[in-house]
Amino acid sequence: QQQVKQSPQSLIVQKGGISIINCAYENTAFDYFPWYQQFPGKGPALLIAIRPDVSEKKEGRFTISFNKSAKQFSLHIMDSQPGDSATYFCAASKSGYSTLTFGKGTMLLVSP
Amino acid sequence: ETGVTQSPTHLIKTRGQQVTLRCSSQSGHNTVSWYQQALGQGPQFIFQYYREEENGRGNFPPRFSGLQFPNYSSELNVNALELDDSALYLCASSPGMGGRVYGYTFGSGTRLTVV
Repeated sequence: QQQVKQSPQSLIVQKGGISIINCAYENTAFDYFPWYQQFPGKGPALLIAIRPDVSEKKEGRFTISFNKSAKQFSLHIMDSQPGDSATYFCAASKSGYSTLTFGKGTMLLVSP
Repeated sequence: ETGVTQSPTHLIKTRGQQVTLRCSSQSGHNTVSWYQQALGQGPQFIFQYYREEENGRGNFPPRFSGLQFPNYSSELNVNALELDDSALYLCASSPGMGGRVYGYTFGSGTRLTVV
């Protein structure tokens, strides 16, 4: 049972464009939604996170949009750069638990 | 701040053997979680240790076991290795149970290949 579904599996964006990655969850007990960035040969690194009491959170070029009624959230990378090329994972955790349930990941390639 | 260190970085084992993977958590972090990341997949939670006690376990069989030491370093042990155990094993640490507040710091992982 895949509790967090992520799409697309891979994404190619031109430099300066907007990258959009979507996630959907099933368990309404989830109340913390982080995004992690993973470069080849490295572990995931926390990028940005949101809780369902807000609909949007922005940090620099990275924005999370959250739709509680649809049980969906997305990552937008504005002005995408070649250095953003990495695999991105959405994740979720339940209140009272600190463990993370990850999506399958999106491999982003930003072409120069 | 030294981050999370995992050893070894790569390992090849034969089916049926046993393996021990090691993790040194980031300074000040007393919670350690282990994740299995199969090729092309997201990390899957194996178990978590908080102050040397197992504090949660994912859907993994008992042949996956762990330890946390007084210095908060940790080990993951896998017995009776199967081919499907081939994966990247990630260790993540956080201060207290603050993974939801401060995020987790992941190590670079141990790539285990079972042949």
